[in-house]
Amino acid sequence: AQSVAQPEDQVNVAEGNPLTVKCTYSVSGNPYLFWYVQYPNRGLQFLLKYITGDNLVKGSYGFEAEFNKSQTSFHLTKPSALVSDSALYFCAVRDSNGGSQGNLIFGKGTKLSVKP
Amino acid sequence: GAGVSQSPSNKVTEKGKDVELRCDPISGHTALYWYRQSLGQGLEFLIYFQGNSAPDKSGLPSDRFSAERTGGSVSTLTIQRTQQEDSAVYLCASSLVTGPRQGTQYFGPGTRLTVL
Repeated sequence: AQSVAQPEDQVNVAEGNPLTVKCTYSVSGNPYLFWYVQYPNRGLQFLLKYITGDNLVKGSYGFEAEFNKSQTSFHLTKPSALVSDSALYFCAVRDSNGGSQGNLIFGKGTKLSVKP
Repeated sequence: GAGVSQSPSNKVTEKGKDVELRCDPISGHTALYWYRQSLGQGLEFLIYFQGNSAPDKSGLPSDRFSAERTGGSVSTLTIQRTQQEDSAVYLCASSLVTGPRQGTQYFGPGTRLTVL
């Protein structure tokens, strides 16, 4: 069965410092991996995805994520955090064995808090 | 262009009543998804429509839940005889089947349902 784990409920970072939000996954085939961000009382906004190709994926707002097949991880990073990055971050996976469509399996979410 | 829209944004109902939630996907997106976001369960997949194919209903929690998609565009999620445990934010997403953005799901702002 597909699953996603986000081991940290909350990550606290000082503004200007690098940030990492962790994600590991489990699928039977090759994974399609996604990061979404949710601001208070808003829907989910797409940040970036990994389908194939380069393991380092660049996304919106300066975020990046690196696909690591051996560690089954897809951690989200940013070199310099902003207070405005404070939000809830979701990692999601879809198994390529199910074709290019189909529902996403989401992690529980990680609350990122960036302090000035 | 216009994103995914959902209505109403908030819905308060009494236990036992039926409710209808509406989703307007991004124009041209043939895939449409419903998810539910609640404190205890995180983000759960409910149902998936793809073109004229039979929907994937594997995520619907009970037979009180149903959804339809008319004309391959607008979708309505109906919950009959609502229960307090149905209280959640209901999110709709749509995606392209082909093209460079294939597989990326774009989410609406959600409908917050409160069952008293």
